[in-house]
Amino acid sequence: QVQLVQSGAEVKKPGASVRVSCKASGYTFTSCTIHWVRQAPGQGLEWMGWINAGNTETRYSQKFQARVTITRDTSASTAYMELSNLKSEDTAMYYCARQSGGSAFDYWGQGTLVTVSS
Amino acid sequence: QTVVTQEPSLTVSPGETVTLTCASSTGAVTSGYFPNWSQQKPGQAPRALIYSTSNKQSWTPARFSGSLLGGKAALTLSGVQPEDEAAYYCLLFQGDVWVFGGGTKLTV
Repeated sequence: QVQLVQSGAEVKKPGASVRVSCKASGYTFTSCTIHWVRQAPGQGLEWMGWINAGNTETRYSQKFQARVTITRDTSASTAYMELSNLKSEDTAMYYCARQSGGSAFDYWGQGTLVTVSS
Repeated sequence: QTVVTQEPSLTVSPGETVTLTCASSTGAVTSGYFPNWSQQKPGQAPRALIYSTSNKQSWTPARFSGSLLGGKAALTLSGVQPEDEAAYYCLLFQGDVWVFGGGTKLTV
């Protein structure tokens, strides 16, 4: 069965960077796109960007363009999201989600809590 | 930046039918926006329900349906159940990026 398993919670200081991983299993990793979405405490979902796991093409939300990098390692069937120059407002749950054929968002990771605090 | 608007909250009684909508600041929502709908309960990750306007995931209950209605994407719950109490988010494709709506908190 398809699973997206994310790395564990992180606590970072302002100005630092964080990298969150999303390990995929149960399907051919390079056949789908992986998206990253975040949710601040008590707030809605916010789309950050995507990576085509087959050809590494990426697109980012304008809001995060300057600070986010999404990569993948096909040998590990894992996608990564790195967010730099962290601020307290970046404290949020970060999710990865799979987009399969037909523009379908189907499977989601369990989420990774990133806390930014001095 | 495109803004996607949903009703902030709706309240329904069990067994009723309710329609949630999703509008884009760029104009009428069409099938080319590939509307997706997800459900999120407190403390849980979102769960996908509908993709490409009206297609259901294999696990989506039959009472959920998606459509285009009056220039908006719509999610209809026919015969609402108590377990449908959750936040519902629409997601629209805009060019080469995706944008979430603010979410609708459905109280049953």
